[in-house]
Formats: sequence, C-alpha cells, structure tokens
Amino acid sequence: EAGVTQFPSHSVIEKGQTVTLRCDPISGHDNLYWYRRVMGKEIKFLLHFVKESKQDESGMPNNRFLAERTGGTYSTLKVQPAELEDSGVYFCASSQDDRYYSGNTIYFGEGSWLTVV
Amino acid sequence: QKEVEQNSGPLSVPEGAIASLNCTYSDRVSQSFFWYRQYSGKSPELIMSIYSNGDKEDGRFTAQLNKASQYVSLLIRDSQPSDSATYLCAVTLNTGFQKLVFGTGTRLLVSP
Repeated sequence: EAGVTQFPSHSVIEKGQTVTLRCDPISGHDNLYWYRRVMGKEIKFLLHFVKESKQDESGMPNNRFLAERTGGTYSTLKVQPAELEDSGVYFCASSQDDRYYSGNTIYFGEGSWLTVV
Repeated sequence: QKEVEQNSGPLSVPEGAIASLNCTYSDRVSQSFFWYRQYSGKSPELIMSIYSNGDKEDGRFTAQLNKASQYVSLLIRDSQPSDSATYLCAVTLNTGFQKLVFGTGTRLLVSP
C-alpha cells in the first residue's frame, strides 16, 4: 500500500513567486492534515481537512496560503506570493479517522522542502 | 514558554542501554500524548500513544505519563544503533490527531 506522497520533494523559488505543493493521502483516508517546520523550530499545525471540508484552518499563517482538497482526494497548498520566512519543510499527513483507536493511526509524508531566496 | 518542551540533545547511549526521553507540556487540559520517531530526511512515524496516567508498554518502548506534573516520557530498552533518530513528543487537546502540538524533538544517538 502506498504511503502519503508529497510533490515536489524540494523546491527553490524566488521571493514573490508562487509555489503549489501537492499531497496524495493514503487511499480511503478522509482526514488530511498539513504541517510545516521552519528551520530550528517545531513542526506546527496548519490545517485539517475532513474529506473536502476544512475542519480546522486555525494554523494557517496568513492569506498568502491557500489549501484545497477538491473531491476529497489529493490536496494542494499554494503559497502566493512566497516570502523568505515561508522556507521550511511542509508535511502532509492522513488518517482514516481523526480519533485515535486501535487500528487507526496517522501517517506522515516525507515532506516538501521549500526554499525561498 | 513553549507549549511542548524537549531537550534537543543529542542524547548518547551505548548499545543495549536504556534511553530515557523526556517531554513537558504547558496546557493542563491536554488529553492525548504521542511519540514520533523521525529519521533524518524521512517522515515522522508514530510509535507510541498514551492517554492515562501511568505506563504503557509496547515491545522495547514504554511511555510514561504524569498529568499532575505535565510530564510524558519515552523509555527505550535494549537500545540499538537503528534507534538513532530524532524523537518528537506531540500533544493534543483532543482524543486523537486533531491539531497536534509538537516539541522540537530530541536527537538520540546509540553507539555500537
């Protein structure tokens, strides 16, 4: 079974440009989460989808960030325009259910490394 | 004060020893506590979860929770070089995976 896949794995863009990150969750997982880690800091929550609906987007830093999950399958996270402080690793994760119980767990992707220069 | 605090390490232990990783959290109403292992450049992997005060054992791993002291720890018995990784503590106010709050992680090095 394929895990959570993210694309691109690495991206270098100039300040002011746009970048779109994509996440393909594990098939059948209704819950999809975006997190990011900026250099030297902890991994921080960005938002949580249940199917195509945004369950919680309280972690989105500002309106330069737009997340979508059309059809409740893959998700995209667009940063427009990118700023230097947006550099970091963007992790996507998915789970079948958002509650923890035996047989249900959360899986993270390997992340998309974004460098804004 | 950070919401979840961990010593960044590195914590160095010899092979076969017990590695003890610690984590404190600031929000007293936190409900769920998780330990993730992350190898360099790889995805965080959930290895332990705990909800109630006391110990929870799974193979060589034991998670310990003390809500009164707002403290959660992870013990790794018979440490192996393959356990060398960064261990992330995560806390949530909910009973699942909603809005995990992570610490910065402790780097563990197990020497042969």
